[in-house]
Amino acid sequence: EDKVVQSPLSLVVHEGDTVTLNCSYEVTNFRSLLWYKQEKKAPTFLFMLTSSGIEKKSGRLSSILDKKELFSILNITATQTGDSAVYLCAVEDNAGNMLTFGGGTRLMVKP
Amino acid sequence: KAGVTQTPRYLIKTRGQQVTLSCSPISGHRSVSWYQQTPGQGLQFLFEYFSETQRNKGNFPGRFSGRQFSNSRSEMNVSTLELGDSALYLCASSSGWPGTQPSYFGPGTRLLVL
Repeated sequence: EDKVVQSPLSLVVHEGDTVTLNCSYEVTNFRSLLWYKQEKKAPTFLFMLTSSGIEKKSGRLSSILDKKELFSILNITATQTGDSAVYLCAVEDNAGNMLTFGGGTRLMVKP
Repeated sequence: KAGVTQTPRYLIKTRGQQVTLSCSPISGHRSVSWYQQTPGQGLQFLFEYFSETQRNKGNFPGRFSGRQFSNSRSEMNVSTLELGDSALYLCASSSGWPGTQPSYFGPGTRLLVL
């Protein structure tokens, strides 16, 4: 059974801080790892990672995957209050577009 | 391109009733997946349909069922509703090929069972 564990469970930082969110996984036939941001609505897509060591970047957010150690990190630099959300990590295996989600990391950015 | 749409957005039902939720995927996407989100269990996979066939199924009782039509629109049905079925039901659409494109989520249907 596929398993995804995220840490920390929650995080409170101040605007301008840098945060690192962690995701470790166990999956039988790994295909991809995805990061989503969820505010009070549906998850919105951030990154999809399939290869080790290649950093994906979008503005102040970046993410990298380590397929040997089975983990990924999501970095947010110069945090803003608008970054406050739950960040979800999910893995996809070869069986199809079925995602196994971690429990999420709740990030609160204070002004 | 229009995003994933779900109807209705909110529903209130009573125990024992049944409910049907609808999802229209992004144009050109052939895979539709359904998830249940609750505060206690997080996001849990219900089932996935690809080209009108159920390709994957999660660990939910048989009261939860779904189908997909030839235009890729999907419906899920929950029969004999229980209080514990109160949740946000999310639909996600994708191209259908793992690792090629992400799944994009619709706004969800919030179901309250009284």
